[in-house]
Amino acid sequence: DGGITQSPKYLFRKEGQNVTLSCEQNLNHDAMYWYRQDPGQGLRLIYYSQIVNDFQKGDIAEGYSVSREKKESFPLTVTSAQKNPTAFYLCASSAGTYSYEQYFGPGTRLTVT
Amino acid sequence: GQQVMQIPQYQHVQEGEDFTTYCNSSTTLSNIQWYKQRPGGHPVFLIQLVKSGEVKKQKRLTFQFGEAKKNSSLHITATQTTDVGTYFCAGHVTNAGKSTFGDGTTLTVKP
Repeated sequence: DGGITQSPKYLFRKEGQNVTLSCEQNLNHDAMYWYRQDPGQGLRLIYYSQIVNDFQKGDIAEGYSVSREKKESFPLTVTSAQKNPTAFYLCASSAGTYSYEQYFGPGTRLTVT
Repeated sequence: GQQVMQIPQYQHVQEGEDFTTYCNSSTTLSNIQWYKQRPGGHPVFLIQLVKSGEVKKQKRLTFQFGEAKKNSSLHITATQTTDVGTYFCAGHVTNAGKSTFGDGTTLTVKP
């Protein structure tokens, strides 16, 4: 069953802790993305990666970090430097060059108190 | 940087009425995609438009790409309660590694 998975669905953390969100895809897609969505708002790009071992900052990268060591995996770490981390985090992938439609995972709802 | 504006932000319709959302880019696009996000869900890809003036249909949904490739629209004929959700456009510029999403239009349908 091909697709993109994110885990966990819900995550609770105390303020000051780093937390890593998982994103895995078996679609053989080259490009992967992380978005943040706040209630009633649109999608804001955090980081994206077009190829293994390379990634670029999106519009709101401060307080976040990523790695892309494998084609199928693109984990996102929400660090304690992120001032307002509570949000819905969505991971997506696309085939890459000349194919831009994105396929989204189910998302992780992070609550930091 | 590139900006993509979507209007309206919200639209409330009676079931059976038509609905249209508009997407406008500050720069010429190489292609545009449309997505639908159901309440509590994740965005799902609907369609991609590439050619100037292109029109594509999916059942009651009609998608258009402007002649100048700077605007697009999604029109739903005779809305149903299953159409409820937020519709996003995402514009891609040549050689950009990412698409830019509009803020979405949230559609509610009253039965």
